[in-house]
Amino acid sequence: SYELTQPPSVSVSPGQTASITCSGDKLGDRYASWYQQKPGQSPVLVIYQDDKRPSGIPERFSGSNSGNTATLTISGTQATDEADYYCQAWDTTTAPFGGGTKLTVL
Amino acid sequence: EVQLVQSGAEMKKPGESLKISCKTSGYSFTTYWIGWVRQMPGQGLEWMGIIYPGDSDTKYSPSFQGQVTISADKSISTTYLQWSSLRASDTAIYYCARGIVVAGTTSGFDYWGQGTLVTVSS
Repeated sequence: SYELTQPPSVSVSPGQTASITCSGDKLGDRYASWYQQKPGQSPVLVIYQDDKRPSGIPERFSGSNSGNTATLTISGTQATDEADYYCQAWDTTTAPFGGGTKLTVL
Repeated sequence: EVQLVQSGAEMKKPGESLKISCKTSGYSFTTYWIGWVRQMPGQGLEWMGIIYPGDSDTKYSPSFQGQVTISADKSISTTYLQWSSLRASDTAIYYCARGIVVAGTTSGFDYWGQGTLVTVSS
């Protein structure tokens, strides 16, 4: 089965840029999406189709996907961005998630 | 307004059967994929499978194939996730979510249900 690898944790200072990576074999051939999940809440889609933001998601969230790596970038990180982030890779038959990354803003 | 409303928490014993639901509203039920996602206590998200209610085409993760059944009832815009024989390891929160479609391709889950907690314990 297809596997995605994320770093377990990433730390960033307020106002700085956070980058969260997601690695998988030929991931660039699939569409990547990203979700933010805060404790006790359902996940929220922040990026879909590699680099598109749903309405209501701040512009500081951006995404890219090429080769074997997709990246979620949060510019000007705010305290409210502290959460778990999950990548997901779509193809015609499956859409597995990565293991998740805990983003700490300190 | 798009809404996915899931059935309430369940407490079951090992070996029992269960069917949980996800009632949708606010969009055309038959033209979007709906997926199910598991989150075990303190763990990450796991993609279980997805169904296209328009023709009931269903795809399962290899990890869940044969362990659960996903179905849909177009008449009431509702999808279901069911087990024939629960195990303690099925204890988790289960989410349903709608697939976002761009140019005929699904590439994200844009609306999520509130989650259903299933507890399996003797």
